[in-house]
Amino acid sequence: EPEVTQTPSHQVTQMGQEVILRCVPISNHLYFYWYRQILGQKVEFLVSFYNNEISEKSEIFDDQFSVERPDGSNFTLKIRSTKLEDSAMYFCASSPGLENSPLHFGNGTRLTVT
Amino acid sequence: QKEVEQDPGPLSVPEGAIVSLNCTYSNSAFQYFMWYRQYSRKGPELLMYTYSSGNKEDGRFTAQVDKSSKYISLFIRDSQPSDSASYLCAMNSGYSTLTFGKGTMLLVSP
Repeated sequence: EPEVTQTPSHQVTQMGQEVILRCVPISNHLYFYWYRQILGQKVEFLVSFYNNEISEKSEIFDDQFSVERPDGSNFTLKIRSTKLEDSAMYFCASSPGLENSPLHFGNGTRLTVT
Repeated sequence: QKEVEQDPGPLSVPEGAIVSLNCTYSNSAFQYFMWYRQYSRKGPELLMYTYSSGNKEDGRFTAQVDKSSKYISLFIRDSQPSDSASYLCAMNSGYSTLTFGKGTMLLVSP
């Protein structure tokens, strides 16, 4: 069964550094998402992406964050100047784009900012 | 009031028990309701997806939605140790983004 893949599985970075989290969505899906889950907290929406542009973003997704689909298969989340509070699991998800088609999630990247 | 409330547990049951997991919500615009299962250090895996009020059954799993009470449930019959995981409810109003509950940790002992 097709799946969303994310790399790396664990990223450790120092405060102030930039990180790029990578995702390969399911190939025929049209909508792409980033969610994050701080340890012990709920899964929170960051951003959705469709037709090569951001379609919706949360208040968490400020100027520190950016997303890109650099080619036909990858979808990336860049976090500039990381802060301690950015430590979380970051999940990529994709969906076919039909009304309320369910989201399929990857296994996440655990980001640790020291 | 939080948009989606879910008891974090843990909920501990013996193998073979019937499990009931619940969420309440406050946004009456929510129409689509999902249950995801999340194993430790893994991504959420879609279990059930329902629209509006009523029941939906899939194998040992039954999802129930009561929109009048803003209450959704997931029942697991004949629970197995492999069902031990966190169960997340999620919902939206159509094309909008998903709002998740905090998740209930379920522990099924052999």
